[in-house]
Amino acid sequence: ELKVEQNPLFLSMQEGKNYTIYCNYSTTSDRLYWYRQDPGKSLESLFVLLSNGAVKQEGRLMASLDTKARLSTLHITAAVHDLSATYFCAVDILGNTGKLIFGQGTTLQVKP
Amino acid sequence: GAVVSQHPSWVICKSGTSVKIECRSLDFQATTMFWYRQFPKQSLMLMATSNEGSKATYEQGVEKDKFLINHASLTLSTLTVTSAHPEDSSFYICSARAELAGGFEQYFGPGTRLTVT
Repeated sequence: ELKVEQNPLFLSMQEGKNYTIYCNYSTTSDRLYWYRQDPGKSLESLFVLLSNGAVKQEGRLMASLDTKARLSTLHITAAVHDLSATYFCAVDILGNTGKLIFGQGTTLQVKP
Repeated sequence: GAVVSQHPSWVICKSGTSVKIECRSLDFQATTMFWYRQFPKQSLMLMATSNEGSKATYEQGVEKDKFLINHASLTLSTLTVTSAHPEDSSFYICSARAELAGGFEQYFGPGTRLTVT
């Protein structure tokens, strides 16, 4: 059974600080997604990581993928209040079926 | 970018009634759509895969007779919650898979919040 685990589940941080969210998954997959969800809203796609060593950056967020370690990270640089949201990683079952298994989500609270 | 809509965005129904939720891909054709359920402060759980012109495939533990899925066209999938009960109250999110030049992309709808009283 494929499991996707995020750490931490809740993160409270001050503006300007850096932090990393970790996403571990239990079986082989070379397609990993990061999403953002604001309260009461659906998912906003942040990154799609398709290969080992992939690194993508958008603004203050940077995501990486290590398929050998079955680990993805979402690094937050100099956090700002607008980044407060819940972040999910998701893994595609059996490679590229579109069937996603989500992590538990990490709720990020950035304090001014 | 590609847009997926859901209707209604929220619905309140009485216990024992049925509710239909629509998921539409507005500017692309989607041979495959997915239905997810999200309880408050929890993650998304894949319920079923909806393929145009064929029966939906359900994930383990999801009752196919309770959650009826119909994918009648390449742009529309519907989820009907039959004989709804309060424990069915949840946020239902669909996604649609688009085949692009570089491969597949998946787009999520805005979600439908169902409250069963």
